[in-house]
Amino acid sequence: QFVLTQSPSASASPGASVKLTCTLSSGHSNYAIAWHQQQPERGPRYLMRVNSDGSHSKGAGIPDRFSGSSSGAERYLTISSLQSEDEGDYYCQTWGTGLVIFGGGTKLTVL
Amino acid sequence: EVQLLESGGGLVQPGGSLRLSCAASGFIFSNYAMNWVRQAPGKGLEWVSVISGSGGYTYNIDSVKGRFTISRDNSKNTLYLQINSLRVEDTAVYYCAKPSGRGTSPDQFDYWGQGTLVTVSS
Repeated sequence: QFVLTQSPSASASPGASVKLTCTLSSGHSNYAIAWHQQQPERGPRYLMRVNSDGSHSKGAGIPDRFSGSSSGAERYLTISSLQSEDEGDYYCQTWGTGLVIFGGGTKLTVL
Repeated sequence: EVQLLESGGGLVQPGGSLRLSCAASGFIFSNYAMNWVRQAPGKGLEWVSVISGSGGYTYNIDSVKGRFTISRDNSKNTLYLQINSLRVEDTAVYYCAKPSGRGTSPDQFDYWGQGTLVTVSS
């Protein structure tokens, strides 16, 4: 079964860095994913695409504090110099023939 | 600037119907497939439907097949979702989402609307 797995929660202090993980299910380790941010009471916002080779391309206006990387079946979103407005839910998304899949999301708390 | 603006949500009784709309601007609408994604209260994102740029290809997930119909009017730059035989479990915020690529195959979503809330309750 083609699924994306994310940890339910993460937390870090303002000014620190945090690395969120999205894991592709077995047999799908070469897929690209996209990261989306959802601040409280708002619609999702596209952050970036992360490819299997670790390269990434960000959406319009996404700050340099956000970066992506990859290792095997894992895709990462790193947020540095955390700010209070980074608090929210982060979803990974992938796609295949005739389907789109989302991970369960990670709730990021900026303490 | 790309903008997607959903409307049409509301409170409806089980078995009822609604028609959601998504007005698009800032890009050549007919060049892109368009999608509906929903989010139940306190839950994650769930992809629901897709329609090709021409409207000739549509797909719905199994749980809404036969009840939801996705369509578009390229002359009005508007995407629609007709939802019939509504169930309590259809309660969610419904978002339209644009893919980054112009093909028919699924792709990452690079723009989202702000969503419209559908509440199914007696």
